[in-house]
Amino acid sequence: GAGVSQTPSNKVTEKGKYVELRCDPISGHTALYWYRQSLGQGPEFLIYFQGTGAADDSGLPNDRFFAVRPEGSVSTLKIQRTERGDSAVYLCASSLMGGDIQYFGAGTRLSVL
Amino acid sequence: SQELEQSPQSLIVQEGKNLTINCTSSKTLYGLYWYKQKYGEGLIFLMMLQKGGEEKSHEKITAKLDEKKQQSSLHITASQPSHAGIYLCGAGPQGGSEKLVFGKGTKLTVNP
Repeated sequence: GAGVSQTPSNKVTEKGKYVELRCDPISGHTALYWYRQSLGQGPEFLIYFQGTGAADDSGLPNDRFFAVRPEGSVSTLKIQRTERGDSAVYLCASSLMGGDIQYFGAGTRLSVL
Repeated sequence: SQELEQSPQSLIVQEGKNLTINCTSSKTLYGLYWYKQKYGEGLIFLMMLQKGGEEKSHEKITAKLDEKKQQSSLHITASQPSHAGIYLCGAGPQGGSEKLVFGKGTKLTVNP
């Protein structure tokens, strides 16, 4: 596709449930990033992939959050035992290589009831 | 850790007016990115500045990075309703980390 694609665009879940958020980067981009944006705040870094490996996962808030990128393209952010505080917009970005300009998707708005 | 402070937090202008948004960093900037965000949409890349004193323009938007590389400004000339949105500055990768650190954003409203 022409840009970064994120699905679903909206996700409503109940406290304690498991969710998966998907990101399809720009074709040919080797670097992929996940950010989380709360209302009225700027995006906060979660994790960065270079190829298939997580090069920096220092932003993951706790072990309920996990992300994979098994084939170096599509990535999935997984959240276990969701809490109301996890409600936010989850943004994915990709760049040609690490350190290049990051291009963002439209985000997934997660609401935990 | 690096922090970015944006001012003002929000701005309402009449169409046709000029405006400036500022972004101040707690540390030296090694790359400064400006993005625009509309509700329900992702961040749209506007410009990247890396060198002290650098200035870039795209259509009616000009961004500058000061000589000491700790402050950037975004200037819009003759604003239009299409300029409305949230403007975010982001500090570029440094120290081996590729992550961007963002300010909280400036919400711009342009009244016709």
